Amino acid sequence: EPEVTQTPSHQVTQMGQEVILRCVPISNHLYFYWYRQILGQKVEFLVSFYNNEISEKSEIFDDQFSVERPDGSNFTLKIRSTKLEDSAMYFCASSFTIQYFGAGTRLSVL
Amino acid sequence: TQLLEQSPQFLSIQEGENLTVYCNSSSVFSSLQWYRQEPGEGPVLLVTVVTGGEVKKLKRLTFQFGDARKDSSLHITAAQPGDTGLYLCAGAPDFGNEKLTFGTGTRLTIIP
Repeated sequence: EPEVTQTPSHQVTQMGQEVILRCVPISNHLYFYWYRQILGQKVEFLVSFYNNEISEKSEIFDDQFSVERPDGSNFTLKIRSTKLEDSAMYFCASSFTIQYFGAGTRLSVL
Repeated sequence: TQLLEQSPQFLSIQEGENLTVYCNSSSVFSSLQWYRQEPGEGPVLLVTVVTGGEVKKLKRLTFQFGDARKDSSLHITAAQPGDTGLYLCAGAPDFGNEKLTFGTGTRLTIIP
């Protein structure tokens, strides 16, 4: 069964460093998303991406965040200068009509 | 801002009992999804409901979308220990590929 794949499963970084979280969406899906879940809190929408551009973003998704689809298969989330409060699980999702989620990347900012 | 409130937040019952989890909002959603999330993993889709009043069954799980498309419920019959987990509802404001608003979650524990 097709699935959304995320790497790495766990990323540890120092405050102020740049991180790139990677996702391989399901191959025939056209819409891509990033969500995050801070420990003990609910899943929050960050950004949606369609036709090689951002279609919607939340207020969390400030200019420290960017997304890219560098080739036909990968979808990345970059955080330019990580902060302690960026520590969370980050989930990638893709959809044709219904969103399917990856297993997530746990980002720990020290 | 659309909000989804789930109740109860925590539920612990004996194996074999029935239970209902609620997902409520003051906003109308074009569709509502129910997911189950295991610790350290991503949400796994259980069902999508799109029509007001719609009822969908998945084995012992019954999902209902409210007539006004503002609320939903998940009913589990004869709960099993394998049903233990975090259940999330998530609504889409417009039909299509829009951002999902997630509920606060219900952590269900089934005691053998």
